[in-house]
Amino acid sequence: QKEVEQNSGPLSVPEGAIASLNCTYSDRGSQSFFWYRQYSGKSPELIMSIYSNGDKEDGRFTAQLNKASQYVSLLIRDSQPSDSATYLCAANYGNNRLAFGKGNQVVVIP
Amino acid sequence: SAVISQKPSRDICQRGTSLTIQCQVDSQVTMMFWYRQQPGQSLTLIATANQGSEATYESGFVIDKFPISRPNLTFSTLTVSNMSPEDSSIYLCSATASTDTQYFGPGTRLTVL
Repeated sequence: QKEVEQNSGPLSVPEGAIASLNCTYSDRGSQSFFWYRQYSGKSPELIMSIYSNGDKEDGRFTAQLNKASQYVSLLIRDSQPSDSATYLCAANYGNNRLAFGKGNQVVVIP
Repeated sequence: SAVISQKPSRDICQRGTSLTIQCQVDSQVTMMFWYRQQPGQSLTLIATANQGSEATYESGFVIDKFPISRPNLTFSTLTVSNMSPEDSSIYLCSATASTDTQYFGPGTRLTVL
């Protein structure tokens, strides 16, 4: 069974602070990983993709991948109220099929 | 990125009936997929829609319940057959083009009474 786990509960952060989200995956064969943002009532929107161990930065977002530990994370710097959403971690388990975690809700407090 | 549209955007259906959801992409894509997002839950892959051949279903999903067509590179349909209230969900179409980056349509919100 391909599993992606996001165990943290809702995360409240003050505006301007850093939000940190974590995710683990079960399939060692997964080679690509994604973070999606989903606003209430909307479909998922891709934020970041990461394929290699280490960090990948895009604007205020940084994704980190550690394949040995089967661990993916997302940092949101200078959090804004518009970042308030549910963040979904996904792993590609072959042929572009994605397994999603349950998501982490982020609330940025002005 | 591909722009994906779905029809209908929402529907309310009676138990025992079937609903066909359409997914249209604005450009040719390599792969198309169908996901389900049950209330308060994350996304679960139903199947890969293969162009010109039978879809590839994930564990727990069967063709009789979720028949899928993909007649060309930009269009696919998902039918939810013999519906029950447990089928109430959001159904999402997605697609990949030249990379493995996957984009999602706006979803179809289905309520079964």
